[in-house]
Amino acid sequence: AQTVTQSQPEMSVQEAETVTLSCTYDTSENNYYLFWYKQPPSRQMILVIRQEAYKQQNATENRFSVNFQKAAKSFSLKISDSQLGDTAMYFCAFMKFFSGTYKYIFGTGTRLKVLA
Amino acid sequence: ETGVTQSPTHLIKTRGQQVTLRCSSQSGHNTVSWYQQALGQGPQFIFQYYREEENGRGNFPPRFSGLQFPNYSSELNVNALELDDSALYLCASSSQGIPDGAQYFGPGTRLLVL
Repeated sequence: AQTVTQSQPEMSVQEAETVTLSCTYDTSENNYYLFWYKQPPSRQMILVIRQEAYKQQNATENRFSVNFQKAAKSFSLKISDSQLGDTAMYFCAFMKFFSGTYKYIFGTGTRLKVLA
Repeated sequence: ETGVTQSPTHLIKTRGQQVTLRCSSQSGHNTVSWYQQALGQGPQFIFQYYREEENGRGNFPPRFSGLQFPNYSSELNVNALELDDSALYLCASSSQGIPDGAQYFGPGTRLLVL
């Protein structure tokens, strides 16, 4: 069975600094997708970034980038130039498409606070 | 393009009652998934609907059931409510035509069972 582990329940970072959130997962599959979602205090979950497992190149979306280490089953999120609006819960998620069904598994989240 | 919407935003029920939550999927999406998110936890997959049929289920009892309509909107029904059903219920839509399966979430319905 697949599992997703986020070992940092809470983190804080100064505004304009860089922070890295960690995520590890366990799977025997070779083809899958990984995501980072952000859930601000207003609670609507927002897709931050996605990574296809078969792509070696790390995904980047503006200030957000990932370090995907497939062999180590690690998928960390780096936020550069942190902004106050980045304060939120961040969830790492694993997805596999199998027999017409998406199977999504979320980690327990990391609460990030950006300090002014 | 309209986003995912859910209703109601908040709901209070008593133990043993039944509840129906509603979700309208994002324009162009044909798949709806439902999640239960307990306080301080990550979302837990309840089930997914595609073409009006259940298309995958998590570890939730049969008293959690759902429907999907021809316009791809969906309902989540919970019978015989228990105190532990108190949670944020999230709906997410996606398209089977997009292989990465990225899901787009609604704002959620906060259910409190007393």
